[in-house]
Amino acid sequence: DAGVIQSPRHEVTEMGQEVTLRCKPISGHDYLFWYRQTMMRGLELLIYFNNNVPIDDSGMPEDRFSAKMPNASFSTLKIQPSEPRDSAVYFCASVDSVYNEQFFGPGTRLTVL
Amino acid sequence: GDSVTQMEGPVTLSEEAFLTINCTYTATGYPSLFWYVQYPGEGLQLLLKATKADDKGSNKGFEATYRKETTSFHLEKGSVQVSDSAVYFCALSQAGGYQKVTFGTGTKLQVIP
Repeated sequence: DAGVIQSPRHEVTEMGQEVTLRCKPISGHDYLFWYRQTMMRGLELLIYFNNNVPIDDSGMPEDRFSAKMPNASFSTLKIQPSEPRDSAVYFCASVDSVYNEQFFGPGTRLTVL
Repeated sequence: GDSVTQMEGPVTLSEEAFLTINCTYTATGYPSLFWYVQYPGEGLQLLLKATKADDKGSNKGFEATYRKETTSFHLEKGSVQVSDSAVYFCALSQAGGYQKVTFGTGTKLQVIP
């Protein structure tokens, strides 16, 4: 298995632009998590899905952020419009609830100028 | 709510030194406890885990024992290597059906030759 796949690995954009981050979880995993990591705030849970259904989005910072999981093999995190304070590394992680272990992707490093 | 407290880093050790990274938690019931490791430029990966009191998790020379009486899960390694330089995260997850993982803030370890 290729593990959790995220794209792009690096994204540089200008303030006000729309940004879409993509994640392909490990096949057969039933949970998917989106995290944001910064030096100031550490690792923050943004939202998670169970069987493609959003369960808890209380960590989404504001309405500019949205996440979807249209099927078991794909999820997106969208920021519109982006702001410099959104600059961070965004991780996707998937879980097989039988084993309760999170598998993280390599992350997307987002820079908003 | 649940929380995890780790010792602040960075921790700098010479090669072959003994490592301890302290971790304590606050949670109801009997959570599962984890240590994750993040190497530079990568996502987090599970290092070891323990699911009940007095369990010892171990992997790659690292060990941690689930101590319910002191609510602790300290990470130890007898002889560190330069390749162990990374950020280490203590985490917990509640039992009884899968729920989200609560992470500590991470402790950076630097091992010098």
